[in-house]
Amino acid sequence: TQLLEQSPQFLSIQEGENLTVYCNSSSVFSSLQWYRQEPGEGPVLLVTVVTGGEVKKLKRLTFQFGDARKDSSLHITAAQPGDTGLYLCAGLAGGATNKLIFGTGTLLAVQP
Amino acid sequence: SAVISQKPSRDICQRGTSLTIQCQVDSQVTMMFWYRQQPGQSLTLIATANQGSEATYESGFVIDKFPISRPNLTFSTLTVSNMSPEDSSIYLCSVERGGHKYTDTQYFGPGTRLTVL
Repeated sequence: TQLLEQSPQFLSIQEGENLTVYCNSSSVFSSLQWYRQEPGEGPVLLVTVVTGGEVKKLKRLTFQFGDARKDSSLHITAAQPGDTGLYLCAGLAGGATNKLIFGTGTLLAVQP
Repeated sequence: SAVISQKPSRDICQRGTSLTIQCQVDSQVTMMFWYRQQPGQSLTLIATANQGSEATYESGFVIDKFPISRPNLTFSTLTVSNMSPEDSSIYLCSVERGGHKYTDTQYFGPGTRLTVL
């Protein structure tokens, strides 16, 4: 069974602080995606990383895929209240289907 | 991108009844999925809705409890049968257009919040 553990589970910080969310597994994934979900809405894709060691930047968000493609991290610089939400990593299971395995989730609250 | 709507957006149901949730996409897509999510928690895949054939269910989910239909490439329904309070959750559909296998994007509907009394 492929599992993705995220840490921390909850995070409450002040506006302007930096933070890192981790997504770890013992399994290898073909690719890994990060989503953000706001209350009452479905998750929205932020980024997809495919190559081991890959780093992608999206404004104040930096995503990294581990060299062995088993783990990933999301770093947010100078967090803003608009960053508040549930962050989910999801790994592509591989094989014949495009089934996504979702991580356990990180609930982020950025206080103004 | 894809625009996905779900009906109903929320419902409160009595134990023992059934509810059918609809998922409509604004364009044809290759893959449609149904997920369950407890508020503030992660998503669990229920099944892949296959057009023209029976859905593919994940471990722990069965067709008798969660019958799924997908009559065409833009529409699917999920029924939650013989409901109990444990079925209270958010149910989400998602779609993939079908592109590069490793980078294709899943687009999610807004979800249906179900409460079973």
